[in-house]
Amino acid sequence: KAGVTQTPRYLIKTRGQQVTLSCSPISGHRSVSWYQQTPGQGLQFLFEYFSETQRNKGNFPGRFSGRQFSNSRSEMNVSTLELGDSALYLCASSPPDRNTGELFFGEGSRLTVL
Amino acid sequence: AQSVSQHNHHVILSEAASLELGCNYSYGGTVNLFWYVQYPGQHLQLLLKYFSGDPLVKGIKGFEAEFIKSKFSFNLRKPSVQWSDTAEYFCAVRGASGGYNKLIFGAGTRLAVHP
Repeated sequence: KAGVTQTPRYLIKTRGQQVTLSCSPISGHRSVSWYQQTPGQGLQFLFEYFSETQRNKGNFPGRFSGRQFSNSRSEMNVSTLELGDSALYLCASSPPDRNTGELFFGEGSRLTVL
Repeated sequence: AQSVSQHNHHVILSEAASLELGCNYSYGGTVNLFWYVQYPGQHLQLLLKYFSGDPLVKGIKGFEAEFIKSKFSFNLRKPSVQWSDTAEYFCAVRGASGGYNKLIFGAGTRLAVHP
């Protein structure tokens, strides 16, 4: 079974630009969560989608947005990039019928903002 | 505010030494608790979790954790570490009701085990 796939793996942007990151969950998983990982901060929750609906949202500004498609694939967008947005963005999926809290993470998309 | 605090950012041990990584959380209400691990070059993966019942939970690879409600703690332990335990360890909490997959993670503890 293929794992969680994130694209692109690496990208470099400049301040003010926007970026779109993509995540394909494990087949059959309907929940997709996004986390931002930075050194010293650990992982910070961005948002979670389930069946194309945002189910939870973290404390990030409105420049961070996401969506989920009918095939459970998800995208997140960051507009008007700032230097502080440089981070590893992790996507995680979880099975639909078990509220286990077990997240299956992808390898992440590493964003560098110059 | 909801938060998780991991006391040690870096831990260095020799093989066969005992391990205890501290984790304290701040969260109103009933919680579920987790330890995740990231081995070098690998994805984050679940090590163990606590939902209810016996406060001493066992996970993979000989790890265990104890939930002490009065201390808001969920410390990770292993009696004898191996070189292959070198990894970064993350403690996490979520609300037991409606938390879904919104986990609050700590900053992580990097463990290096020397042969």
